[in-house]
Amino acid sequence: GESVGLHLPTLSVQEGDNSIINCAYSNSASDYFIWYKQESGKGPQFIIDIRSNMDKRQGQRVTVLLNKTVKHLSLQIAATQPGDSAVYFCAENMSDAGGTSYGKLTFGQGTILTVHP
Amino acid sequence: NAGVTQTPKFRVLKTGQSMTLLCAQDMNHEYMYWYRQDPGMGLRLIHYSVGEGTTAKGEVPDGYNVSRLKKQNFLLGLESAAPSQTSVYFCASSYGKRYEQYFGPGTRLTVT
Repeated sequence: GESVGLHLPTLSVQEGDNSIINCAYSNSASDYFIWYKQESGKGPQFIIDIRSNMDKRQGQRVTVLLNKTVKHLSLQIAATQPGDSAVYFCAENMSDAGGTSYGKLTFGQGTILTVHP
Repeated sequence: NAGVTQTPKFRVLKTGQSMTLLCAQDMNHEYMYWYRQDPGMGLRLIHYSVGEGTTAKGEVPDGYNVSRLKKQNFLLGLESAAPSQTSVYFCASSYGKRYEQYFGPGTRLTVT
């Protein structure tokens, strides 16, 4: 079946730099995308979401970009801090042919972000 | 407001034993989900519920059963545990189909 995937499994940055985490998806029927942050030993924590009728959405220090033409999703973190070190997952919510969605998310494998002081 | 809570936090089972994992949410969410997460992997959906009294299969439902007798609770059962079910189990809830899912802290299950 179709699934979400990530280009880079690990990303190391210096404190203060901007980070970009990428995600590719293959299902054109997906209409809702979410980024989660997971720290060691904890459950995933919501960061930001975007619906397919948008190209960009901004939050506090984070921006998600959606390129439906190439089926690509990215998470940008501005002024990355050591507390941002975690595994980041993208997830897609797929609708069926009739447009019905039950909130079933398909997760990517995750990217490990390490921020060096 | 506790959000999503899971009981227990840790459990060790022997092959063939049974157990039930409890998930509770106090946000009045309609949708609830059970996922498993294996080392180095993303989360995979086991079962989900779109409302009290309803359940449906997810991506990896075999070996698990669920019940949603009350809106705030979603139970995940293992009738005969197998080593392949060693994993971290996460429960989540959401307001609706295209809304963020809130996750619990997880239950680490080991089957020997």
